[in-house]
Amino acid sequence: QSVLTQPPSVSGAPGQRVTISCTGSSLNIGSYDVHWYQHLPGAAPRLLIHDNINRPSGVPDRFSGSKSGTSASLVITGLQAEDEGDYYCQSPDGSLSLWVFGGGTKLTV
Amino acid sequence: QVQLQESGPGLVKPSETLSLICNVSGASISRYYWNWIRKSAGDRLEWLGRIYTTGGPNYNPSLGGRVTMSIDTSKNQFSLKLTSVTAADTAVYYCARGYTFALNWGQGTLVTVSS
Repeated sequence: QSVLTQPPSVSGAPGQRVTISCTGSSLNIGSYDVHWYQHLPGAAPRLLIHDNINRPSGVPDRFSGSKSGTSASLVITGLQAEDEGDYYCQSPDGSLSLWVFGGGTKLTV
Repeated sequence: QVQLQESGPGLVKPSETLSLICNVSGASISRYYWNWIRKSAGDRLEWLGRIYTTGGPNYNPSLGGRVTMSIDTSKNQFSLKLTSVTAADTAVYYCARGYTFALNWGQGTLVTVSS
């Protein structure tokens, strides 16, 4: 079992919007920033969102993040076929000396 | 542009030591924090640990003291050693740059533990 809980799968039609949730506790999301990664087939994982809401250079604004209390969400709007893959949340846990990941969410478009 | 590349044996026998190297280009290894992360069956990501040129490394306690990381500044590379491996250590291993999140990732290398 992962420390951070994500739905195993989500799906949506092209052009639609999907939300991926990430639930933790006061030891992780409740105390630290949340980060999101995209892992597409055949590619290296890619940072999508850092520090809850910030997109690195090159990440489309179709991807957005939010955090409230001990939960966080990744929203993808205008779904595209190339968005299909795995998405993970991540946060420090207990201190900045330990990272934990969510179990991952498989997005089907 | 920061690039990372993992290298090492793709097959390790049970009870032996897994050893991997991450070569870094486009950034001085002395300036940043470096991590090892793996993705195993079931597509779960697991953070193994983080190292910097000064101060002690941080390891994931779930590995039970089996992990060691080191940095070679002369070669701009860092390494991972995982002892007493079992089939459960079969995974794609990634090296990554970052302190609280992984900004840059390598392509990953598959390590299979099997006799």
